[in-house]
Amino acid sequence: QKEVEQNSGPLSVPEGAIASLNCTYSDRGSQSFFWYRQYSGKSPELIMFIYSNGDKEDGRFTAQLNKASQYVSLLIRDSQPSDSATYLCAVNIQEYGNKLVFGAGTILRVKS
Amino acid sequence: GAGVSQSPSNKVTEKGKDVELRCDPISGHTALYWYRQSLGQGLEFLIYFQGNSAPDKSGLPSDRFSAERTGGSVSTLTIQRTQQEDSAVYLCASSGGEFYLNTEAFFGQGTRLTVV
Repeated sequence: QKEVEQNSGPLSVPEGAIASLNCTYSDRGSQSFFWYRQYSGKSPELIMFIYSNGDKEDGRFTAQLNKASQYVSLLIRDSQPSDSATYLCAVNIQEYGNKLVFGAGTILRVKS
Repeated sequence: GAGVSQSPSNKVTEKGKDVELRCDPISGHTALYWYRQSLGQGLEFLIYFQGNSAPDKSGLPSDRFSAERTGGSVSTLTIQRTQQEDSAVYLCASSGGEFYLNTEAFFGQGTRLTVV
């Protein structure tokens, strides 16, 4: 089992809709969870982090964490064509001293 | 510096030559990562440093690849006898590292390596 798993997509949503991106992880001891966005030809950039169970909102983005189910998600409300990118989930793995492990990423396409 | 700095930004080399890629992490960051990304593909983990040691170098694809980190700061990724399949963007990232509250990683702009 991979340490961090994401559906590769592409996930296609119409402009203005809610995009829901999902991620599962294997290490029950993980304590920090991150979402990165990567535009084509660019480096990944951090957009959200979450440490506690529940929801965390930042503008149009909401991160959701459920440690019991080992599941973290990212919701993007009012999706815009500029949100089209690859979204990477990252989780700290306690082995090797809190190493950050990335999922393979989900491609999101927002159609106008 | 303010961010992670990688050099060179672009490197074209002939097959069979050795190359060195450099990463300057954010000052004070203890953890440093190297990744490789081929066109249209995901991040391929290469090696993880915590301080000067590398607890996880499981991603290095062959013994032609090596990396070191000195003084808990600058890291160099060396590829010997380059092959065309080594062509990719090599990304470096650093993070505060040891405590779970500061494990978020920040990426450099990458080095685009082309082997001809």
